[in-house]
Amino acid sequence: ETGVTQSPTHLIKTRGQQVTLRCSSQSGHNTVSWYQQALGQGPQFIFQYYREEENGRGNFPPRFSGLQFPNYSSELNVNALELDDSALYLCASSLSDGSRYNEQFFGPGTRLTVL
Amino acid sequence: AQRVTQPEKLLSVFKGAPVELKCNYSYSGSPELFWYVQYSRQRLQLLLRHISRESIKGFTADLNKGETSFHLKKPFAQEEDSAMYYCALSAGGYQKVTFGTGTKLQVIP
Repeated sequence: ETGVTQSPTHLIKTRGQQVTLRCSSQSGHNTVSWYQQALGQGPQFIFQYYREEENGRGNFPPRFSGLQFPNYSSELNVNALELDDSALYLCASSLSDGSRYNEQFFGPGTRLTVL
Repeated sequence: AQRVTQPEKLLSVFKGAPVELKCNYSYSGSPELFWYVQYSRQRLQLLLRHISRESIKGFTADLNKGETSFHLKKPFAQEEDSAMYYCALSAGGYQKVTFGTGTKLQVIP
């Protein structure tokens, strides 16, 4: 069984650029959530995808968008990068019915630095 | 709105001493509460959830709805317990999880 993987590990961008982060869910999982973790803070929920559709969103602007593919891999896209977007981005996958919590398994994260 | 508060950024205890990591939450309904742990150079992982009512690695946590607290306890700390601990809450009918800011537990040999 393969765990959650994320790519790239580290990324440096400049203000105004766009970035795509990738996540491969654990085998058999149909739900993926993305979190932003700023330095010294806990993870903050960005959004969740269940069976390729957005199934909940946190307090993040529309320039944060995502996709989930039929094989349940996922992307997080951030447009018009701002300095405050510098953070560790975590993806977590689970097997769920889309309505109740089931244990989420986290990836190692992508460290994004915006200069 | 849901919120999780962990008042201590750092908790240092001696090996063998009792541990209590504090967590308070605010949510008007009936949330699910969790403790997550992140050991050095490892991924964030679920330690325990209140509905399971089980002890994991000697840790327990009791949900106190009156005080809106979910403190994590262990009677005798071990060096391998040193890690970052996050209290978290899930509510609203889907899997959004709200995390606290975390408490770093340092067990002194």
